[in-house]
Amino acid sequence: GQNIDQPTEMTATEGAIVQINCTYQTSGFNGLFWYQQHAGEAPTFLSYNVLDGLEEKGRFSSFLSRSKGYSYLLLKELQMKDSASYLCAKGDSGGYQKVTFGIGTKLQVIP
Amino acid sequence: DAGVTQSPTHLIKTRGQQVTLRCSPKSGHDTVSWYQQALGQGPQFIFQYYEEEERQRGNFPDRFSGHQFPNYSSELNVNALLLGDSALYLCASSLQGRTYNEQFFGPGTRLTVL
Repeated sequence: GQNIDQPTEMTATEGAIVQINCTYQTSGFNGLFWYQQHAGEAPTFLSYNVLDGLEEKGRFSSFLSRSKGYSYLLLKELQMKDSASYLCAKGDSGGYQKVTFGIGTKLQVIP
Repeated sequence: DAGVTQSPTHLIKTRGQQVTLRCSPKSGHDTVSWYQQALGQGPQFIFQYYEEEERQRGNFPDRFSGHQFPNYSSELNVNALLLGDSALYLCASSLQGRTYNEQFFGPGTRLTVL
């Protein structure tokens, strides 16, 4: 399997910074995605990393270490609307566009 | 620019019945992937269609089948429904040849099997 692991739940305070970690099996790797999913809604794309390092996009940043099979999503200046599930997903290198999702981390932002 | 659309929004069926779910991809996209998302879980890959053919399949039984039409829209069919098939079914579209596979998801179809 793809063995994508991420915490199931996290809680953070409005205005703070939170880091959501994700580990995955390194074989067959073709990029690491992060999606946001609000309750009852479809996932929306946040970021994609295929090379090592940090990609910053506004309040959200994503980091990748291919050798360690590790990624994290960093959310700064948390807002109440950031309460959602954050899905880590691994791209498959098998020549197609298959993406395998983790279980998702449910983030609750509290006042 | 129309995004990914799915129909119906909600559906209630009984065990043993058959269901067809529909998806229209985002304008300009040619690839459709289907996912099943059980409550509290991440989306699980069912299969992907490109050029009207099933290109890759996840760990789902043959009761799950699909089709892609010349206009790139797609259907997901599930036969002999089981209680465990109750889930949110998501369709995602993408474009071949991109540097990476950014998938755009539709709002999903909530299927309840009684």
